[in-house]
Amino acid sequence: EDQVTQSPEALRLQEGESSSLNCSYTVSGLRGLFWYRQDPGKGPEFLFTLYSAGEEKEKERLKATLTKKESFLHITAPKPEDSATYLCAVVGDFGNEKLTFGTGTRLTIIP
Amino acid sequence: DGGITQSPKYLFRKEGQNVTLSCEQNLNHDAMYWYRQDPGQGLRLIYYSQIVNDFQKGDIAEGYSVSREKKESFPLTVTSAQKNPTAFYLCASSNMVHRPQHFGDGTRLSIL
Repeated sequence: EDQVTQSPEALRLQEGESSSLNCSYTVSGLRGLFWYRQDPGKGPEFLFTLYSAGEEKEKERLKATLTKKESFLHITAPKPEDSATYLCAVVGDFGNEKLTFGTGTRLTIIP
Repeated sequence: DGGITQSPKYLFRKEGQNVTLSCEQNLNHDAMYWYRQDPGQGLRLIYYSQIVNDFQKGDIAEGYSVSREKKESFPLTVTSAQKNPTAFYLCASSNMVHRPQHFGDGTRLSIL
């Protein structure tokens, strides 16, 4: 069974203080790893897809990286508007046509 | 603008009542999904459909039913058999399972 563990559960940073969120996964035959951002009372918003170890994607202050066991979401010089819950999900082998989500990291950026 | 529309935003259910949550997409995606989100838990898959007139149970299908009569629409019925229906329900769609899923803004269901 596919498993996703995100850490930490919650993270408070000062504005401008860079950090990383972790997503550890166990999956048979990774077909894709996804990062989403979710604001309170809203649906998740897609950020990145990573397909193979060594791959990196960037968008503004966010950078996602992938190894064979985990993914990191690096946040550089965050701003208060980056406050949200960040979700990680994986999809594995063919025949397993669904995503497995982690419980998320709740990020708060203090002005 | 292309996207997924869920309605209503808030819904209240009485004891013994079935309620239906609407999900419509204009992204021309083949696959559609229903998730349930509870505090402190990851999104859990209720049902999914990869093609019109076909759907599969997810991890927590008991007490729920769906239909997929049109590509654009995937309504979810929460039946009276679902004893703990209070949750945030999210609908999503994608072209293929290894492609990103795009989500609606959810329906919050509560019990009266």
